[in-house]
Amino acid sequence: DQQVKQNSPSLSVQEGRISILNCDYTNSMFDYFLWYKKYPAEGPTFLISISSIKDKNEDGRFTVFLNKSAKHLSLHIVPSQPGDSAVYFCAAAVYGQNFVFGPGTRLSVLP
Amino acid sequence: ETGVTQTPRHLVMGMTNKKSLKCEQHLGHNAMYWYKQSAKKPLELMFVYSLEERVENNSVPSRFSPECPNSSHLFLHLHTLQPEDSALYLCASSPNEGGTYEQYFGPGTRLTVT
Repeated sequence: DQQVKQNSPSLSVQEGRISILNCDYTNSMFDYFLWYKKYPAEGPTFLISISSIKDKNEDGRFTVFLNKSAKHLSLHIVPSQPGDSAVYFCAAAVYGQNFVFGPGTRLSVLP
Repeated sequence: ETGVTQTPRHLVMGMTNKKSLKCEQHLGHNAMYWYKQSAKKPLELMFVYSLEERVENNSVPSRFSPECPNSSHLFLHLHTLQPEDSALYLCASSPNEGGTYEQYFGPGTRLTVT
């Protein structure tokens, strides 16, 4: 039973537009969330985090939104660039321990 | 050298071999992790070390044996593996202090068991 789900295996977006990547979780105890991106033949790269005391966190072109009642978080990338093409993973943990990762969404940003 | 490094990057081994994967972090972090990523599966946490003490073992078979001699180095000793153990093995580290839990990953070791 997957505790962290990313229901879209892939997403294509035009350069300059917004990319929205979604993540759902089932464990209401999760209180810390991370987003990573991964290029082929590289390890995941940390992008942005959010704790459950917030509902939004922003870092440059990346914004993460958390909806605790819906057990849903999303990553917005604005504007999308071709270099953003990668696999994006969300991860969740209780007290920052033992993160559970989603299966990933492959983002393709088309020039 | 900075960040998290892993060696070797690729490894092919037979089922009767013994080999070790090495991870080194240059970030001054307190915690280190081993993850396994199999094809079309999410990252699976294998082992967690905090301040050089193992704090988590997610029911990993005994043919995988971790070692953390100090806060900068982490090993994964492999013996009598099975073909289904072929996967990408990722090492990560995190500060785990002051409410900062982000994990920083190495490039991984692609393991093939024949």
